[in-house]
Amino acid sequence: EAQVTQNPRYLITVTGKKLTVTCSQNMNHEYMSWYRQDPGLGLRQIYYSMNVEVTDKGDVPEGYKVSRKEKRNFPLILESPSPNQTSLYFCASSLSSGGPYEQYFGPGTRLTVT
Amino acid sequence: AQSVTQLGSHVSVSEGALVLLRCNYSSSVPPYLFWYVQYPNQGLQLLLKYTTGATLVKGINGFEAEFKKSETSFHLTKPSAHMSDAAEYFCAVTGAGSYQLTFGKGTKLSVIP
Repeated sequence: EAQVTQNPRYLITVTGKKLTVTCSQNMNHEYMSWYRQDPGLGLRQIYYSMNVEVTDKGDVPEGYKVSRKEKRNFPLILESPSPNQTSLYFCASSLSSGGPYEQYFGPGTRLTVT
Repeated sequence: AQSVTQLGSHVSVSEGALVLLRCNYSSSVPPYLFWYVQYPNQGLQLLLKYTTGATLVKGINGFEAEFKKSETSFHLTKPSAHMSDAAEYFCAVTGAGSYQLTFGKGTKLSVIP
């Protein structure tokens, strides 16, 4: 089954404790992206990757890191989480970018930072 | 540069009534437009998309949207609302050469029995 998977689905952590949210897709997609969803703000892009080893900042990259060492995986790293990073996070992938390509979304990771 | 404005963060309709969710966009290049739906506690899934050609686009679950270039709009409609349509709906825009899909802030649809 074609899908984007994220782990964990739920995470409660404390300020400053490094964490990684994993994302994997099995569709051989070139493009992957991370979003955060906050009430009243919609989805805002954190980072995106056009291909392996090629990443760039989205609209809200502060406090986050990413890497794309393999085509299928695109982990999101919070090196020192803060309460303002409490949010719902989505990973997405698509065949490519800048065209009529549907983005496929993972189920989301709900992160709480206390 | 591209942006999306969704009018109405919350829309309520009666079961069987017309659903109309509004979306206006701005884009410096010819746009590709999308509507996504998010059911409670789930990720987003594609309802429909406009690329080129026919301006009236049909999607899943009886939804359709019309691309109006002169009005920079891409409103979503469904003739008769069903209880199962209760969800949050997001309009999004991208364009040739863009690496980003820009989303609106979403419209939460409630269906009253």
